[in-house]
Amino acid sequence: EDQVTQSPEALRLQEGESSSLNCSYTVSGLRGLFWYRQDPGKGPEFLFTLYSAGEEKEKERLKATLTKKESFLHITAPKPEDSATYLCAVQAIRTGNQFYFGTGTSLTVIP
Amino acid sequence: GAGVSQSPSNKVTEKGKDVELRCDPISGHTALYWYRQSLGQGLEFLIYFQGNSAPDKSGLPSDRFSAERTGGSVSTLTIQRTQQEDSAVYLCASSKGLAGGKFFGPGTRLTVL
Repeated sequence: EDQVTQSPEALRLQEGESSSLNCSYTVSGLRGLFWYRQDPGKGPEFLFTLYSAGEEKEKERLKATLTKKESFLHITAPKPEDSATYLCAVQAIRTGNQFYFGTGTSLTVIP
Repeated sequence: GAGVSQSPSNKVTEKGKDVELRCDPISGHTALYWYRQSLGQGLEFLIYFQGNSAPDKSGLPSDRFSAERTGGSVSTLTIQRTQQEDSAVYLCASSKGLAGGKFFGPGTRLTVL
């Protein structure tokens, strides 16, 4: 069964304290892995798509990496405005259009 | 428009009433999705439209839920005889096709009393 697990559920960081969020997945044939940011009361905001192991994508203080079993979202020197819930989703070749979402990591960056 | 829009942003209804939720996707996006997000849960897939193909309705939780997409653009999600467990945020997303990231709307928060 296709599955996505994110850890930790919640993370509190001091401003400037770098860390990583984890997304572990089991899927029979990965079409793509997606990272989203979701602020309270808003829809998820698309960040990255990764398609194959070894691929990396960067945007400002965020870098996403992918292996055959997991993805990491690295946050370098975070700022309070990075506080949000970060969601990971996988798209399987077999199920085509369906994305399987994790329950997210709630990140709080303290000034 | 610049992004996916949804209306209403909030809907409070009484148990047993029908509700309609609307989604306007990004212009030119052929794929449209509906998801449901409950507190503390991941996003739950409901239905998918792609161009003129038959929709993938495999995620609809019961026959009280239905959706249509008119003219390959605007979509309406209808929930009949609402139940309290239908309370959630209903999110719409669109994409250019099957591959690539989906762009979400702000959601409709549905509360069934």
